[in-house]
Amino acid sequence: EPEVTQTPSHQVTQMGQEVILRCVPISNHLYFYWYRQILGQKVEFLVSFYNNEISEKSEIFDDQFSVERPDGSNFTLKIRSTKLEDSAMYFCASSELAGGHTGELFFGEGSRLTVL
Amino acid sequence: KNEVEQSPQNLTAQEGEFITINCSYSVGISALHWLQQHPGGGIVSLFMLSSGKKKHGRLIATINIQEKHSSLHITASHPRDSAVYICAVLPGNQFYFGTGTSLTVIP
Repeated sequence: EPEVTQTPSHQVTQMGQEVILRCVPISNHLYFYWYRQILGQKVEFLVSFYNNEISEKSEIFDDQFSVERPDGSNFTLKIRSTKLEDSAMYFCASSELAGGHTGELFFGEGSRLTVL
Repeated sequence: KNEVEQSPQNLTAQEGEFITINCSYSVGISALHWLQQHPGGGIVSLFMLSSGKKKHGRLIATINIQEKHSSLHITASHPRDSAVYICAVLPGNQFYFGTGTSLTVIP
């Protein structure tokens, strides 16, 4: 069964460092998403991406965040200068259609980011 | 401001019990998703609803758009159903998530 894969599963970094989280969505999917979940809190939407551009982003997704689809398979989330409060589990998701409206979302297993 | 409220927050049930988890939301939506988050953290999509009712195995999800309410039912619950169940709504193009209901099913 096709799945969304994320790397790394866990990353520890020093405050101020740049971090890149990688996702490989399901191959025929067109819509891509990043979410985060701070420990003990609810899942929060960060950004959605379609047709090589951001289609929606939340207030959390400020200038220190960026997303990219550098090739036909990877979808990356970059955090330019990490802060302590960026420590969270980051989930990538993809959908074949506009997932929220018409179809199913498929989630990766998550990347846990710890900022020291 | 909390667009999505779930109840109960925590639920413990005996194996075999019928379980109901509720989700109420305050905004107009185009779709509602029920998600399952495993103890290890991974998230699985269970249902996407825009009206009516859907059934998949022992899981049933219903939605009442007029009352802004959805329920997730689990029949004949099993310890492997133990997880956090999350309701997420789509008022526009951005999801809003509930805080989740932590379910523990005891053998």
